[in-house]
Amino acid sequence: SQKIEQNSEALNIQEGKTATLTCNYTNYSPAYLQWYRQDPGRGPVFLLLIRENEKEKRKERLKVTFDTTLKQSLFHITASQPADSATYLCALDIRGYSSASKIIFGSGTRLSIRP
Amino acid sequence: DGGITQSPKYLFRKEGQNVTLSCEQNLNHDAMYWYRQDPGQGLRLIYYSQIVNDFQKGDIAEGYSVSREKKESFPLTVTSAQKNPTAFYLCASSIGVIRTGKNIQYFGAGTRLSVL
Repeated sequence: SQKIEQNSEALNIQEGKTATLTCNYTNYSPAYLQWYRQDPGRGPVFLLLIRENEKEKRKERLKVTFDTTLKQSLFHITASQPADSATYLCALDIRGYSSASKIIFGSGTRLSIRP
Repeated sequence: DGGITQSPKYLFRKEGQNVTLSCEQNLNHDAMYWYRQDPGQGLRLIYYSQIVNDFQKGDIAEGYSVSREKKESFPLTVTSAQKNPTAFYLCASSIGVIRTGKNIQYFGAGTRLSVL
């Protein structure tokens, strides 16, 4: 069966440390992998996108890696701050016939940064 | 103020009643989507539309209907056939894969639907 799993429902870390979130998938071959941030009661907000042939992508304090052999993406937030506390969603972009695109979302990891 | 507007923010449905959730975008995006989010679960695709006057079923379309008569608008009707409608509903749009090669989703603020 096809699955997308994000590590642990919740992750608590100390301010200033690096937060690492994991996204694992089975039986998919995504063309792209995306990460979104969702705050309580709000819609998700796009953060980063990485292609299947890219190993790593950075944006300010954010870093995403993508290993298509392991079928895994890691999402890192360096120098974490309490304002980074939110739920982070992994999403696979699956391409089908005529480049039709379908986005499959993981259930998310709730990240809490304590001062 | 560009973006995606969903209304209402909260909606209550009585037994046997159809309700319609509004989604409007002024981003000039070709594609629009409806997702349902239940506590502790990922977003599940209900319906999507890649161009005006065309739409396709997603993974959980039963009990829902949509229309796409205008590029800016993609309303979702939750019919009485949907027996478990209580959820957080999210509308999204994207520029379109044909134009950019990517499918980055831009979301509205959501509508929380509850059953009375």
